[in-house]
Amino acid sequence: DTEVTQTPKHLVMGMTNKKSLKCEQHMGHRAMYWYKQKAKKPPELMFVYSYEKLSINESVPSRFSPECPNSSLLNLHLHALQPEDSALYLCASSQERGAGTDTQYFGPGTRLTVL
Amino acid sequence: AQKVTQAQTEISVVEKEDVTLDCVYETRDTTYYLFWYKQPPSGELVFLIRRNSFDEQNEISGRYSWNFQKSTSSFNFTITASQVVDSAVYFCALRNTGGFKTIFGAGTRLFVKA
Repeated sequence: DTEVTQTPKHLVMGMTNKKSLKCEQHMGHRAMYWYKQKAKKPPELMFVYSYEKLSINESVPSRFSPECPNSSLLNLHLHALQPEDSALYLCASSQERGAGTDTQYFGPGTRLTVL
Repeated sequence: AQKVTQAQTEISVVEKEDVTLDCVYETRDTTYYLFWYKQPPSGELVFLIRRNSFDEQNEISGRYSWNFQKSTSSFNFTITASQVVDSAVYFCALRNTGGFKTIFGAGTRLFVKA
């Protein structure tokens, strides 16, 4: 089973709201990722967690705050977002046997609209 | 520098036609991994194939086939007898050993008309 689940599917929020995106995988993967994808563009890496520790932060603004409570869960906390943050947010996971060799499996994404 | 180029922005074909999506990559590493993903309108990136740099064997999976040529740094994807359900954006991607970062190409949007 190569399933990564994400909730919610759609989210509309105001610039003063606080919300969270959730991602879950039950494949025993030890690396989890957040990507941001704007329309007609490829996904852009935001964060990588490896063994529940933050490994990569691609200079993402602090209004995005990732959290990895355990090896199966990944959250992205959102606060004081801007309209330009509206995008598809994709979660992915991989085994991390040797990071480059691993295939990333993606969830269906959360379509975020910031008003 | 690492780079993936998908020069075809959009391709439109009629059902049952064969179509090839091009992918050219750049990397200084001798060991690397190439991927193809499909992104239908629903948004999910669906993994199609992974190819290691030391394995140049071409692969066929049903109507899908991949041609990996190190000499030209290309990893092209062919869909035989295309179907409407093949309509999607296809991304070619590159990863190096030991790295978490995946370099995606810009994507090719494929329209298959009935």
